[in-house]
Amino acid sequence: ETGVTQTPRHLVMGMTNKKSLKCEQHLGHNAMYWYKQSAKKPLELMFVYNFKEQTENNSVPSRFSPECPNSSHLFLHLHTLQPEDSALYLCASSHPGTFNSPLHFGNGTRLTVT
Amino acid sequence: ELKVEQNPLFLSMQEGKNYTIYCNYSTTSDRLYWYRQDPGKSLESLFVLLSNGAVKQEGRLMASLDTKARLSTLHITAAVHDLSATYFCAVGEDSSYKLIFGSGTRLLVRP
Repeated sequence: ETGVTQTPRHLVMGMTNKKSLKCEQHLGHNAMYWYKQSAKKPLELMFVYNFKEQTENNSVPSRFSPECPNSSHLFLHLHTLQPEDSALYLCASSHPGTFNSPLHFGNGTRLTVT
Repeated sequence: ELKVEQNPLFLSMQEGKNYTIYCNYSTTSDRLYWYRQDPGKSLESLFVLLSNGAVKQEGRLMASLDTKARLSTLHITAAVHDLSATYFCAVGEDSSYKLIFGSGTRLLVRP
């Protein structure tokens, strides 16, 4: 497999559930990102990890909890979400050691909170 | 705080016509990107612009960057239906991994 792979593709969860989104990249990148794409807003940066260390947390509510165990894997743990959290969650990665390389995105997880 | 504005947000154009999408940003930046997103799909990188006056071309699309005006343009030449998609510009915050996206321009090319 190549590129950035996200699972699951679709997820429906109740407000009291706990679930996790998974992202895996096979590009040799060391920076990984979570973005949220809602219907009525621009893509919103949530978290950035560089060499497994979190470098950005864009004031994301604590009901979203990221985890980056190594440079190839990124998780987003979800608990007690709200209906307004329904969105497409996109994972991305970029080349190590440079700010200039473009982000490579996965296909996203379409999340619906009921 | 870095803000990125795109216009227009929606563009319906006829095949064969030319048009330009604009991307303005509010603070200095050392890099700007253009992405394409097809419905139900992920974002695909089109262009990376790293310096003032940079111009990149791929097929019927040409992107340019004016860092002094904090403006990038994506010019479409002789549009074809296959170009129908949403186009995003994204601007990098200086010395940071943060990439801020515009709202996107939904382009519809009509026969």
